[in-house]
Amino acid sequence: QLQLQESGPGLVKPSETLSLTCTVSGGSITSDTSYWGWIRQPPGKGLEWVASVYHNGNSHYNPSLKSRVIISVDTSKNQFSLKMSSVTAADTALYYCAGGKYNWNYGIDSWGQGTLVTVSS
Amino acid sequence: SYVLTQPPSVSVAPGQTARVSCGGTDIGDHGVHWYQQKPGQAPVLVVYDDSDRPSGIPERFSGSNSGNTATLTISRVEAGDEADYYCQVWDTSSDHLYVFGTGTKVTVL
Repeated sequence: QLQLQESGPGLVKPSETLSLTCTVSGGSITSDTSYWGWIRQPPGKGLEWVASVYHNGNSHYNPSLKSRVIISVDTSKNQFSLKMSSVTAADTALYYCAGGKYNWNYGIDSWGQGTLVTVSS
Repeated sequence: SYVLTQPPSVSVAPGQTARVSCGGTDIGDHGVHWYQQKPGQAPVLVVYDDSDRPSGIPERFSGSNSGNTATLTISRVEAGDEADYYCQVWDTSSDHLYVFGTGTKVTVL
């Protein structure tokens, strides 16, 4: 059973960079079929795709966030990470790391428990 | 980018059938996935590729997709089915690849 666990600061100041890491256990991040990513949910609101990546680094970004976001993979640690620069209060959200197969063509079947990131001075 | 519209809420009595719609232009041409999210929990995939169920999901959950509307059907609704439900598609026609619906709160009366 694949397990995903987010880690990172829960509080980030405006204009600074948000950094989150997802640790994958119960399976290898280098599986050819697996596709990893981040999805966020502002308090009381719906789900929004942020970015996603294959283990070889081939990545995709939400166009509305692309200029501020980088997603990367560390195969040696079985982890993938998210960096979001120039954050504002609008980036306050529960951030989920997630996984699935084949560009999530069969849905997102693995989710972390989520980590709340608050942007505030 | 592609827009998926869901009703904000659906109410259903225990034992009855709940239907949650997801509207989008030619959504029938996309594979639709459905997620259940209970308060304080991460989403769970309940239907993928329009009508398939992951292992462990009860047969009471089913899906269909045609034209401009996809539908999640929950038969013989139980109190434990009360949750938010989101549809999602993979839109290869734009850079915004993964689109979620607006979400529907299913309330069991």
